[in-house]
Amino acid sequence: DTAVSQTPKYLVTQMGNDKSIKCEQNLGHDTMYWYKQDSKKFLKIMFSYNNKELIINETVPNRFSPKSPDKAHLNLHINSLELGDSAVYFCASSPARDSNTDTQYFGPGTRLTVL
Amino acid sequence: QKEVEQNSGPLSVPEGAIASLNCTYSDRGSQSFFWYRQYSGKSPELIMSIYSNGDKEDGRFTAQLNKASQYVSLLIRDSQPSDSATYLCAVMYSNYKLTFGKGTLLTVNP
Repeated sequence: DTAVSQTPKYLVTQMGNDKSIKCEQNLGHDTMYWYKQDSKKFLKIMFSYNNKELIINETVPNRFSPKSPDKAHLNLHINSLELGDSAVYFCASSPARDSNTDTQYFGPGTRLTVL
Repeated sequence: QKEVEQNSGPLSVPEGAIASLNCTYSDRGSQSFFWYRQYSGKSPELIMSIYSNGDKEDGRFTAQLNKASQYVSLLIRDSQPSDSATYLCAVMYSNYKLTFGKGTLLTVNP
């Protein structure tokens, strides 16, 4: 009965590789997000999708490409991984994007380590 | 640039005391404010949301909002060692982006 799930939980890879992180939510929410939390614990939004449509695209290298096959899934593909990509990536979801009271619920996170 | 500022701490309080966590934000148009708790190695967990000026109480937690001063705080009464975590203040700005502060590390000493 997990609300927001991510796979994998840990990802260790070499520089230059391409990897993907998957996220699924079973809450029936319309909006999903990707956040990056760096080593100093600063949590920053990367992307947001509302009903499969990209609505937030922060200043993120174009090596990062989100894909939303349906409103319950939001995947993150990263090309040509760099050392600075090492972080914890959190997926989140919320009921609707145009509500000021919208609450976001976070997945367990994926710890990415680039060697 | 829209910002959320928090004291990084660590804030250390004895068990049973009141822990006071503070946050300021830059966008006067903000309407929604959230406090998340994050244990080490875990994901952020929502503990309080507040939308109107004044106080909002939920159990041992009280959120306080002052939009004129652009200030939001979280009080934890009767602090327990299990409250030891990083507390993240988050502000929903007018562009529907949830912006987080860098968090305050709270340690409750038995």
